[in-house]
Amino acid sequence: GAGVSQSPSNKVTEKGKDVELRCDPISGHTALYWYRQSLGQGLEFLIYFQGNSAPDKSGLPSDRFSAERTGGSVSTLTIQRTQQEDSAVYLCASSFIQGGGNTIYFGEGSWLTVV
Amino acid sequence: GNSVTQMEGPVTLSEEAFLTINCTYTATGYPSLFWYVQYPGEGLQLLLKATKADDKGSNKGFEATYRKETTSFHLEKGSVQVSDSAVYFCAPLRGSNYKLTFGKGTLLTVNP
Repeated sequence: GAGVSQSPSNKVTEKGKDVELRCDPISGHTALYWYRQSLGQGLEFLIYFQGNSAPDKSGLPSDRFSAERTGGSVSTLTIQRTQQEDSAVYLCASSFIQGGGNTIYFGEGSWLTVV
Repeated sequence: GNSVTQMEGPVTLSEEAFLTINCTYTATGYPSLFWYVQYPGEGLQLLLKATKADDKGSNKGFEATYRKETTSFHLEKGSVQVSDSAVYFCAPLRGSNYKLTFGKGTLLTVNP
């Protein structure tokens, strides 16, 4: 597609429920990233995919968070047993790393509210 | 690893005023440098970038020059508009070339 597409754009869920957030990167982009943006913490890196593998998942805050990518394209971020502190905007981004250069493009984000 | 010190906001200006948002970074090697902008209720948009020392990135009237000697990448615009009201983020891209490190963001409000 023309840009990084994320769904849902807004999600309200009850504490303790699981949520799945989807990201469709720019066509041809091999790298995919998840970031989280919350009021108190700013922009936090969560995980990086190159193809279908995740060489860096150091930013995932707990084992309730997981992510996968299939077919070198779509990625899903799953949060199990959601807590109120999970409320944030989850931003997906993608890029094509070439010749030492890398420009990262972001989606509009998925706004998650845990009540 | 990389870190970023970005001018704290909020910054409030009148239309047509001159804008500077300071950004300094620490990094190993020579990172690429980016400014992203986030308009109210939207995601991050790439504003401009510079990939090596003395490069100047520019877009929509904004400019920033990669200053290796001062490890800075200050954002400037000669005449701001109301539509420039947004949060601006400075971000070096670490030497391993995949992870952006963001500053805390600077909220800019431009009044008519």
